[in-house]
Amino acid sequence: GAGVSQSPRYKVTKRGQDVALRCDPISGHVSLYWYRQALGQGPEFLTYFNYEAQQDKSGLPNDRFSAERPEGSISTLTIQRTEQRDSAMYRCASSAWTGDAYEQYFGPGTRLTVT
Amino acid sequence: AQKVTQAQTEISVVEKEDVTLDCVYETRDTTYYLFWYKQPPSGELVFLIRRNSFDEQNEISGRYSWNFQKSTSSFNFTITASQVVDSAVYFCASLSGGYQKVTFGTGTKLQVIP
Repeated sequence: GAGVSQSPRYKVTKRGQDVALRCDPISGHVSLYWYRQALGQGPEFLTYFNYEAQQDKSGLPNDRFSAERPEGSISTLTIQRTEQRDSAMYRCASSAWTGDAYEQYFGPGTRLTVT
Repeated sequence: AQKVTQAQTEISVVEKEDVTLDCVYETRDTTYYLFWYKQPPSGELVFLIRRNSFDEQNEISGRYSWNFQKSTSSFNFTITASQVVDSAVYFCASLSGGYQKVTFGTGTKLQVIP
């Protein structure tokens, strides 16, 4: 079946602009996660949802970052007033059930470049 | 808090050699999970394996094997008879029981030379 999809795959934006990154999880997966991966580093947790409820947003760097999943399926990560330090790969993952015992499957990522 | 250390930044081997990727984890939890992911040059993250803290049995899947030792807090990954297609960055990761956020190591870049 279809895996996790993300759009756009590449985004170049000017400093100060807002961007919205979309994630479409595997069909039926109830948990959805956002990670950020800097070049040469491993993914770093940002936030996650079980169904439509945001469970943990402790990894969001500051209040310019927000995420939503209003219907418990597609999620959007929004970065307001982008800065050059926001440039990274943003990855989405989903898992079949809530809880710790289920592996997370990752999407291809969105490469964000802030100029 | 979880911490994962992958001390090997880059490894190069000649095709058909065996190679072991090291992973050391830190946790205060008794229940936790360990993972390996592969990131090929195309960039996606591919799930390879998950182990829970109560199961130290080693696992073999084809040319891949994993050695989990709680005594040394290690979860090492061995590729036998490496192939060029194994060239990738490999990430070790951990997750505390009762939580859902995964902590990744910094990755080991493996280059298999033909």
